[in-house]
Amino acid sequence: DAGVTQSPTHLIKTRGQQVTLRCSPKSGHDTVSWYQQALGQGPQFIFQYYEEEERQRGNFPDRFSGHQFPNYSSELNVNALLLGDSALYLCASSARLWGSGNTIYFGEGSWLTVV
Amino acid sequence: DAKTTQPPSMDCAEGRAANLPCNHSTISGNEYVYWYRQIHSQGPQYIIHGLKNNETNEMASLIITEDRKSSTLILPHATLRDTAVYYCIVRSQINRDDKIIFGKGTRLHILP
Repeated sequence: DAGVTQSPTHLIKTRGQQVTLRCSPKSGHDTVSWYQQALGQGPQFIFQYYEEEERQRGNFPDRFSGHQFPNYSSELNVNALLLGDSALYLCASSARLWGSGNTIYFGEGSWLTVV
Repeated sequence: DAKTTQPPSMDCAEGRAANLPCNHSTISGNEYVYWYRQIHSQGPQYIIHGLKNNETNEMASLIITEDRKSSTLILPHATLRDTAVYYCIVRSQINRDDKIIFGKGTRLHILP
């Protein structure tokens, strides 16, 4: 059973460019969340997708957008890249079961460097 | 903001039990305690979670106090590969709130 998979693992972009990161959730999971982790910091919640809609959003500008597909996979898009967007971007997936203590699993992340 | 408080760093000798404390004094009845760890440059790895009872799995044990205001993660026989940042997280299941709010975690150093 494959866990959460993310691509690409590493990429370098130039300021002002746009980037798309991809995530496939763990089998049986229908909810995908994205996190940004700057060097030396804990992960910060960006947003969450369920039933192909954005359900929750953290304190991130509109340059950060996403999409969820019918097969539950997801993309994170960042426009007009800034140097400060350099970070590890983590995808997490879970199944939306009520009150079950269902576990959130993380992928290994995509390292984005903006130069 | 994170609802947990953890010491910023701890040391433990290899082969000994590592006991990582966490305070969550404002935890509510429907909130679970989760532990994750993050080894350098990797994604967070799930360790264990619990609601009110003590829990044990192949990786660790979780001891939750009776008033649920604090907990301890126990790694019974620490190895060098257990060196990581350990995050204690309180997570609600009401309103399908699935996001995790990370605090600063505890950086655990396993000493040879």
